[in-house]
Amino acid sequence: KNQVEQSPQSLIILEGKNCTLQCNYTVSPFSNLRWYKQDTGRGPVSLTIMTFSENTKSNGRYTATLDADTKQSSLHITASQLSDSASYICVVTFSGGYNKLIFGAGTRLAVHP
Amino acid sequence: EAGVTQFPSHSVIEKGQTVTLRCDPISGHDNLYWYRRVMGKEIKFLLHFVKESKQDESGMPNNRFLAERTGGTYSTLKVQPAELEDSGVYFCASSQASYNEQFFGPGTRLTVL
Repeated sequence: KNQVEQSPQSLIILEGKNCTLQCNYTVSPFSNLRWYKQDTGRGPVSLTIMTFSENTKSNGRYTATLDADTKQSSLHITASQLSDSASYICVVTFSGGYNKLIFGAGTRLAVHP
Repeated sequence: EAGVTQFPSHSVIEKGQTVTLRCDPISGHDNLYWYRRVMGKEIKFLLHFVKESKQDESGMPNNRFLAERTGGTYSTLKVQPAELEDSGVYFCASSQASYNEQFFGPGTRLTVL
């Protein structure tokens, strides 16, 4: 079954600290993996995208890694800011038919001053 | 350039009533997608339009849901009659080609009482 599992479900950190979010997937075949940020009341916004041949991608203070062999990805946030408070969603594109996005349930991050 | 817009932002209806959600994709985007997130769960695919044609509707839960995209521009998703389990946030997304990044709207929060 094509699934995306994320951990932790929620996380609280202090402003300025780093954190790492985890994503494990069983989607096969897959063409790419994205990390999205979703602010409350808004739609998801793409942060990074990696194909199966890439193992790291950065976007400012966000760095995503991908291990296609172990089917694991992580999102590392450096020097967190209050505006980083949001849900972070791991999304894998299933390429077994029509390209279809398979979503994880997300990690809800709260950054406190 | 305007992003994906959805209307209404919130809708509260009683069980058995009908509700119609609207999505306006980014201009020029042939691909339009509907997704849904029910409470505490991950976002799930409902269906995919290419212009006015349904490319993939494998995620539609049952025949109480009807999606249309007449003229290949905006799309509507009608739920008739609504049931309690239909409550959730309905997202629309659009992309130029099916392999391009999907841009999400802010969602419509539907509550069925």
